[in-house]
Amino acid sequence: EPEVTQTPSHQVTQMGQEVILRCVPISNHLYFYWYRQILGQKVEFLVSFYNNEISEKSEIFDDQFSVERPDGSNFTLKIRSTKLEDSAMYFCASRRTSGGAYNEQFFGPGTRLTVL
Amino acid sequence: SQQGEEDPQALSIQEGENATMNCSYKTSINNLQWYRQNSGRGLVHLILIRSNEREKHSGRLRVTLDTSKKSSSLLITASRAADTASYFCATVGSSNTGKLIFGQGTTLQVKP
Repeated sequence: EPEVTQTPSHQVTQMGQEVILRCVPISNHLYFYWYRQILGQKVEFLVSFYNNEISEKSEIFDDQFSVERPDGSNFTLKIRSTKLEDSAMYFCASRRTSGGAYNEQFFGPGTRLTVL
Repeated sequence: SQQGEEDPQALSIQEGENATMNCSYKTSINNLQWYRQNSGRGLVHLILIRSNEREKHSGRLRVTLDTSKKSSSLLITASRAADTASYFCATVGSSNTGKLIFGQGTTLQVKP
């Protein structure tokens, strides 16, 4: 069964450093998302991506964040200058489209980002 | 903005019992979905119910939706120890991106 994969599973970085989190969505999916979950809190939407551009972003997704789909298979989230409060689990998700009806999203296993 | 609130926050039951989790939200929705998260792992989609549906079944899962009360419930029948996990409701609203807005979740412990 196809699945969303994410690398690395755990990333430790120093405050102020840049990190890139990588995701490979399911191949025939067209919508891509990043969410984050701070320890003990709920999952929060960061950004959605469709047709090679951001379709929606949350207030969390400020200028420090960017997303890219560089090669038609990978989907990346870059944080330019990490802060302590960026420490969280980051989930990538993808969704197919069918007849305009929204359907379920398939989530990757997550990348745990620890900013020291 | 819409927000799912779930209750209870934590639920502990014996294997074989039924577990009911509730979710409320604030704004109109296109659909409501339930996801499961095992400790430290990713989210697994369980079931989706559209705004024009009132009840849906999938195996041991039963979901209801009351749009007049802006609430949903997830019933897991004949629970098993393997059902131990956190359960989240997530709503999809009028945004055409399909983004999910998650609730706080219910932590379910099923004791063998």
